[in-house]
Amino acid sequence: QVHLVESGGGVVQPGRSLRLSCAASGFTFSSYAFHWVRQTPGKGLEWVAVMSYDETQRYYADSVKGRFTISRDNSRNTLYLQMNSLRAEDTAVYYCTRGSYGDLAWGQGTLVTVSS
Amino acid sequence: QTVVTQEPSFSVSPGGTVTLTCGLSSGSVSTSYYPSWYQQTPGQAPRTVIYSTNTRSSGVPDRFSGSILGNKAALTITGAQADDESDYYCVLYMGSGIWVFGGGTKLTVL
Repeated sequence: QVHLVESGGGVVQPGRSLRLSCAASGFTFSSYAFHWVRQTPGKGLEWVAVMSYDETQRYYADSVKGRFTISRDNSRNTLYLQMNSLRAEDTAVYYCTRGSYGDLAWGQGTLVTVSS
Repeated sequence: QTVVTQEPSFSVSPGGTVTLTCGLSSGSVSTSYYPSWYQQTPGQAPRTVIYSTNTRSSGVPDRFSGSILGNKAALTITGAQADDESDYYCVLYMGSGIWVFGGGTKLTVL
């Protein structure tokens, strides 16, 4: 059974950094691409970033490009999102998702609040 | 910048059929966009309903179907049930690794 557990969320001041983690189990981690998707409280979903199964390709939404970095450790079955220069508009629940071509398995999300 | 469009809200009677759509502010949606659909109820994570235009995700009832209708992707629910009342989001692959979600449709079953 696919299990994705995000962690690392919390309250952070504007301009600071935060790293999210996503621990995966129940499948062969190294065989899948992973995405981060976020959702502002009460609003819609926003695609953030994707990383290929073999770490050769990473792509980002324009809203986070240059500030966020997606990475993975296949030996630890863990996905990461390093978020730098955080802004108030980055406040959201961040979901780790596994899959390709839209067939996504979702974690439960972790809340990031950017506030002074 | 291309925007993915969805109806903000829709209503269907129990047992009825409803079709939600997913379009582009400029251009037509085709299978090359791998249109996919996600269902979300309040306080829960989304779950995949349809991916790559018309493939039902594991465990999804066959009353859900996906297609291309005209220049849009479509999610059709045939024989709507009360627990289909949710927010539905579509996503499109724009190429170069980029995906874009629509704004979501709030479906009411009453």
